[in-house]
Amino acid sequence: DVKVTQSSRYLVKRTGEKVFLECVQDMDHENMFWYRQDPGLGLRLIYFSYDVKMKEKGDIPEGYSVSREKKERFSLILESASTNQTSMYLCASSFTRSGANVLTFGAGSRLTVL
Amino acid sequence: LAKTTQPISMDSYEGQEVNITCSHNNIATNDYITWYQQFPSQGPRFIIQGYKTKVTNEVASLFIPADRKSSTLSLPRVSLSDTAVYYCLVGDKNQGGKLIFGQGTELSVKP
Repeated sequence: DVKVTQSSRYLVKRTGEKVFLECVQDMDHENMFWYRQDPGLGLRLIYFSYDVKMKEKGDIPEGYSVSREKKERFSLILESASTNQTSMYLCASSFTRSGANVLTFGAGSRLTVL
Repeated sequence: LAKTTQPISMDSYEGQEVNITCSHNNIATNDYITWYQQFPSQGPRFIIQGYKTKVTNEVASLFIPADRKSSTLSLPRVSLSDTAVYYCLVGDKNQGGKLIFGQGTELSVKP
């Protein structure tokens, strides 16, 4: 089975800190995604990547950046964390870009910004 | 933003069949409809995927009408462990087929 591993399940950071959320997948998937999930808002796409060193903005990229230096790793970066970035962050990967795209998700990283 | 639309919540009892409908008026021609299940504090996991008509696997069935503007996830004989949030996922032709999640349907199965 494809495994998507997020490095931290729970993080607590202070306003203004730089935060790195790491995601690694072990099945040679081309595509990787970062979502955030908030009560009442469902899952919202932050950034995605279809190849190494490639990135595209999702629906809510403001305040975030990403890095994909290796195929298996996709990092989400909060340059200066703010309290409104307190959320559950979910990483996903997939093999195809076709309409039959199936996402495999990690367990999530719950970030609290104080 | 064009989106999918699902009921916010549904209640059911053990042993009943549950049908959850998703509306997706702007589905892209080449896109499939995919449903995911999510338990608290976990990432969503794939349940079923289809393009048209009917698809069935060991977990659920998916019914898609000819116009593909909606789909219905059918869970036969639900149990307490089926209590979860169910998401419908399709592309959006107004956004280049980008993957968009619906709001999700919170299913509560009671004894």
